[in-house]
Amino acid sequence: AQSVAQPEDQVNVAEGNPLTVKCTYSVSGNPYLFWYVQYPNRGLQFLLKYITGDNLVKGSYGFEAEFNKSQTSFHLKKPSALVSDSALYFCAVRPYFYSSASKIIFGSGTRLSIRP
Amino acid sequence: NAGVTQTPKFQVLKTGQSMTLQCAQDMNHNSMYWYRQDPGMGLRLIYYSASEGTTDKGEVPNGYNVSRLNKREFSLRLESAAPSQTSVYFCASSQKPRLAGGKHTTDTQYFGPGTRLTVL
Repeated sequence: AQSVAQPEDQVNVAEGNPLTVKCTYSVSGNPYLFWYVQYPNRGLQFLLKYITGDNLVKGSYGFEAEFNKSQTSFHLKKPSALVSDSALYFCAVRPYFYSSASKIIFGSGTRLSIRP
Repeated sequence: NAGVTQTPKFQVLKTGQSMTLQCAQDMNHNSMYWYRQDPGMGLRLIYYSASEGTTDKGEVPNGYNVSRLNKREFSLRLESAAPSQTSVYFCASSQKPRLAGGKHTTDTQYFGPGTRLTVL
């Protein structure tokens, strides 16, 4: 069965410092991997996705994520955090091979708090 | 384009009441989804519709029904609301993954703003 784990409920970072939000996954075969962000009282917004190819994926708002197959991880990173990055972040996974039964599974979310 | 729209934004029900949450998308997407979001549990899939005319159960379907009215609209119905259904409900849509160049394309999901439901 496929699953996603976000081991940290909350990550606190000072503005200007690098940030990392962790995600590990379990899926049969190769994965599709996603990061979404949720601002207060809003729906989820797509940030970036990994399909195949380069292990470093660049997305919106200066975020990037690194796919590591041996560690089954897809950590979200940003070199210099902004206060406006404070939000709830979700990692998600789906098997590479599509079937009607395969669906995207979301992690439990990590709250990122950037202090000025 | 409005993207994915949901109505209502807020709703308070008494136990046993029924209601329908509406969702519409104008992106010509084939697939639509209903999720619920509860603190510490992320998003859990209630029902989805891979394409017009089909619906399937997700992770937590009990107590809900859905209707894929047409390609644009996908409604979620609570026949007899219970306090355990207090949650924030999100609708999402995506293009159905397809084979292109021997590989499956991925299905980025686009979300509506949510409906905050309280059942007393």
